[in-house]
Amino acid sequence: QSVLTQPPSVSGAPGQRVTISCTGSSSNSGAGYDVHWYQQLPGTAPKLLIYGNTNRPSGVPDRFSGSKSGTSASLAIAGLQAEDEADYYCHSYDSRLSAYVFGTGTKVTVL
Amino acid sequence: EVQLVESGGGLVQPGRSLRLSCVASGFRFDDYAMHWARQVPGKGLEWVSGISWSGEAMGYADSVKGRFTISRDNGKNSLYLQMNTLRAEDTALYYCLRDGYCSSVKCHSGWFDPWGQGTLVTVSS
Repeated sequence: QSVLTQPPSVSGAPGQRVTISCTGSSSNSGAGYDVHWYQQLPGTAPKLLIYGNTNRPSGVPDRFSGSKSGTSASLAIAGLQAEDEADYYCHSYDSRLSAYVFGTGTKVTVL
Repeated sequence: EVQLVESGGGLVQPGRSLRLSCVASGFRFDDYAMHWARQVPGKGLEWVSGISWSGEAMGYADSVKGRFTISRDNGKNSLYLQMNTLRAEDTALYYCLRDGYCSSVKCHSGWFDPWGQGTLVTVSS
């Protein structure tokens, strides 16, 4: 079972803004470890979306933004588009487990 | 272009062994730590193992510790995962990952970029 909790699903109409939370604990995100985000389109490998809590790799639209505060991190998608339908995962390091950990994953549906 | 290509997956009986390989191209392989992660089809992601640039330090998820061994050959730009005593619950798509920031698995700050396309391991009798 994952130590990073995400909502199973979020949805929104095209153009709307949605946010995905990633809740950790004092041994991972709350201990200061960075949170990163990945997008997994159907049938493909995950792709880096946000690194170091807030940074976008080149090529990722600025509609995607990340934030972190305490034990929680969030991914926001502004101006939702049909192509954003995918699974999204957060990722960090856990010092109690001595392992990298992924969130439970969130399916984004564009209505 | 930075690329990771996995191979070696397949159908194997419980208790048997399998060795996965990953060939890297498009970047200086020995500058980066490397990792394996897995995903049961339709389910979430799980980090499996990581190795430092030199091969000196490794880390493993509790679920595979003592059964899986990660290694690398920097001269061949290759990463390996030796999987022994396989169980049905090891059935998954296995991805090869580059650490986007760290050269050591003791760094703990890195992200995973890029990911390979994955190789499917099915453990069944």
